[in-house]
Amino acid sequence: IQMTQSPSSLSASVGDRVTITCRASQNTNVYVNWYQHKPGQAPKNVIYAASQLQSGVPSRFSGSGSGTHFTLTISSLQPEDFATYYCQQSSSAPFTFGPGTEVAVK
Amino acid sequence: QVQLVESGGRLVKPGGSLRLSCAASGFTFSDRSMSWVRQAPGKGLEWVSYITGSGSTMDYADSVKGRFTISRDNTKNSLYLQMNSLRAEDTAIYYCAKDNDLTMWGQGTLVTVSS
Repeated sequence: IQMTQSPSSLSASVGDRVTITCRASQNTNVYVNWYQHKPGQAPKNVIYAASQLQSGVPSRFSGSGSGTHFTLTISSLQPEDFATYYCQQSSSAPFTFGPGTEVAVK
Repeated sequence: QVQLVESGGRLVKPGGSLRLSCAASGFTFSDRSMSWVRQAPGKGLEWVSYITGSGSTMDYADSVKGRFTISRDNTKNSLYLQMNSLRAEDTAIYYCAKDNDLTMWGQGTLVTVSS
């Protein structure tokens, strides 16, 4: 299953609403997860099963979608949210990642 | 709390072999699938391999199939990745992660393949 993301990068300001889109080449039901990755750190799971907020993750993060179309939304961007975000499907091995979306400071 | 600690990364020559380890704690290791994920310099995340809790099922990315072998020892709460026939393009930080949806990650271990 191939995963694509758009945009590949975006520039935003603190307080902005940010939406990242992920598309799967085949039906993945709700088995899509989102990760936040900052340089020099381990990636962090923020959303699992398309819409479930991982424990400890702020509620400004939300996920939606099913089948082949998924979105990650950050309702009000905070300074600590600047990072690269990846979607990943865990419906069928190999559990492929999207290419990533870099969220940078405008 | 859940902790994953990778080890074994180092500089190795092309064609060489390396075994990575991941020590797990804070959860019932034998109940959970485990995965390896890597990030090459300047690249995105690449899923490498996974193994079920019992060790009965595993799978691999096409890029490593036939060269890498994932295994686990549930008596030692440890996950392994045997890497053979290493290539320059295998240079990356290798992370172990818990569950198919990668709910927790280790800090990673660096593998450099270079002559």
